Amino acid sequence: AQSVTQLDSHVSVSEGTPVLLRCNYSSSYSPSLFWYVQHPNKGLQLLLKYTSAATLVKGINGFEAEFKKSETSFHLTKPSAHMSDAAEYFCVVSRSGSARQLTFGSGTQLTVLP
Amino acid sequence: DADVTQTPRNRITKTGKRIMLECSQTKGHDRMYWYRQDPGLGLRLIYYSFDVKDINKGEISDGYSVSRQAQAKFSLSLESAIPNQTALYFCATSDPGLPTGELFFGEGSRLTVL
Repeated sequence: AQSVTQLDSHVSVSEGTPVLLRCNYSSSYSPSLFWYVQHPNKGLQLLLKYTSAATLVKGINGFEAEFKKSETSFHLTKPSAHMSDAAEYFCVVSRSGSARQLTFGSGTQLTVLP
Repeated sequence: DADVTQTPRNRITKTGKRIMLECSQTKGHDRMYWYRQDPGLGLRLIYYSFDVKDINKGEISDGYSVSRQAQAKFSLSLESAIPNQTALYFCATSDPGLPTGELFFGEGSRLTVL
């Protein structure tokens, strides 16, 4: 069994300040973890992925995430928010080899204030 | 042109009507998926197909059916639409050589059932 919890449904930051979007997961096996971004009226786009290699993962547009097994967390961060980062972000946990065992978090809406 | 194309992008229909959502892809991927997105619930898997002769139910397949007409085409049908099927529907593709969970999404089909 697996689950994923995005701890904040909405996050607001000012442009130029750091972004932190929190994700906790539970899994009975070694999971793969992903962050996706969804801009308005667009499909989801992969930001970054963790698949049991380096625990600090760098993605597109300056985002990164750190896999912490002891804390069962995979938080998404960015040092300096840009207006174009305003979007909804989804944390996803998967079990290797099983298309059915792909679980999406409920999403975090990021607002970037000028 | 988008790699994963969904039609229609928006559709309003009435209860009891039959609706088909179509998906075509140019990525050359064998695996295709249909997801449903509801606010606050993330994405949930409706059906998936690993090749033309392979169709599998997902988490919420009741009330839906699919057809894999070719490697590049995967259609979702609602035989008799009901209001609680109002949602945003996404088609996605993946490659077996990539981690399970690394998906490529279309831009979505917004369906409203009155």
